[in-house]
Amino acid sequence: DIQMTQSPSSLSASVGDRVTITCRASQTISNYLNWYQHKPGRAPKLLIYAASNLQNGVPSRFSGSGSGTDFTLTITSLQPEDSATYYCQQSYSILTFGGGTKVHIK
Amino acid sequence: QVQLRESGPGLVKPSQTLSLTCTVSGASISTGGPYYWSWIRQHPGKGLEWIGYIHYSGNTYYNPSLKSRVSISIDRSENQFSLKLSSVTAADTAVYYCARDLDGSGTIFDNWGQGTLVTVSS
Repeated sequence: DIQMTQSPSSLSASVGDRVTITCRASQTISNYLNWYQHKPGRAPKLLIYAASNLQNGVPSRFSGSGSGTDFTLTITSLQPEDSATYYCQQSYSILTFGGGTKVHIK
Repeated sequence: QVQLRESGPGLVKPSQTLSLTCTVSGASISTGGPYYWSWIRQHPGKGLEWIGYIHYSGNTYYNPSLKSRVSISIDRSENQFSLKLSSVTAADTAVYYCARDLDGSGTIFDNWGQGTLVTVSS
């Protein structure tokens, strides 16, 4: 299986900050990389698919980049409602997810 | 707007079979398009694990790590799909989610249920 490693595992940032989360695949996955936001007790929400495509209805402050093995999710101006855990997921082979990055608002 | 809701027992005894159902509203599993319907779980305090999916045609594909114990089926009359996981142990304790894919690829999940916690314990 392809292992997905996210960093950091958690972070704390202030409203308005630029936040970057990274995801590294154990082997090349081209652009088969998706990002989800998950809040406790809620259904996970697709943010970005195919590394850089913004899902319909997702605010433009979210963006994704990368290809091959290294990927990034960026939130350009953090908002209070962005407090959540973020997961990457590869869709190149047997589907696997990263361990998650918990984002706290200071 | 597609909505999914998981249901089933919250407590299962070791060695028994875990059975969950996902009820779909706002779309037809049979006629609403060439989508894949998946089950995904999250162990307490850990990441997500894809269990498997069923195509609207009835074809299935399971995570090899669980394949020997998993079965996913469709009930077209009820617009539901179901998960059965046999010979469960405490390691199967998790929140179980059902989901539909975005584009017929089976690999990108844009509609999820809220999840249901299943605890395996005697």
